[in-house]
Amino acid sequence: DTGVSQDPRHKITKRGQNVTFRCDPISEHNRLYWYRQTLGQGPEFLTYFQNEAQLEKSRLLSDRFSAERPKGSFSTLEIQRTEQGDSAMYLCASSRGYTGGNTEAFFGQGTRLTVV
Amino acid sequence: SQKIEQNSEALNIQEGKTATLTCNYTNYSPAYLQWYRQDPGRGPVFLLLIRENEKEKRKERLKVTFDTTLKQSLFHITASQPADSATYLCALSLSGSARQLTFGSGTQLTVLP
Repeated sequence: DTGVSQDPRHKITKRGQNVTFRCDPISEHNRLYWYRQTLGQGPEFLTYFQNEAQLEKSRLLSDRFSAERPKGSFSTLEIQRTEQGDSAMYLCASSRGYTGGNTEAFFGQGTRLTVV
Repeated sequence: SQKIEQNSEALNIQEGKTATLTCNYTNYSPAYLQWYRQDPGRGPVFLLLIRENEKEKRKERLKVTFDTTLKQSLFHITASQPADSATYLCALSLSGSARQLTFGSGTQLTVLP
């Protein structure tokens, strides 16, 4: 499968613990995005990478959240000191570079986080 | 703040009919509007993108319109099939990529056989 891959698919953690999610984008895509989706709502933008550079971050991304994309390949999203409000589906997407036309974004299946 | 409203949380239609979904927005002047399909437990799948200077775009049985005066987009699925049953999300942005997309909460479409 050459789509966007996310790991794990599900994560249950106790409040206060740290969690890390991984996203492997489509190999030729240099743009990578993280979104968060709660039940019954649309996804909310968290952050965006072009290659290894984190170019944009949402105000939703508090200081407990950190994302990296070393070497411009896979990305990780870490949440420290998890809170119940962090329970959501965390979605990763990737796309080609923007060359003046539209670029289709491909989403992974997401990591569902439950904080108990 | 930006606000996006998608018509009714759920829409049921009979197979073969045309489904029309609405996306209204306020306090925003997007340059691009995108429509996605999302099945339960899966990530969104890109369907169509329309620019602010385009009135209409088509792809197979799908048609999207974008009225920047009314601040509204209509999404049509003609000759609907049960396999079209899913949640459909509209998303606005200032760029044509997935950067800082602002999504609506979606409309759940059920096509009845």
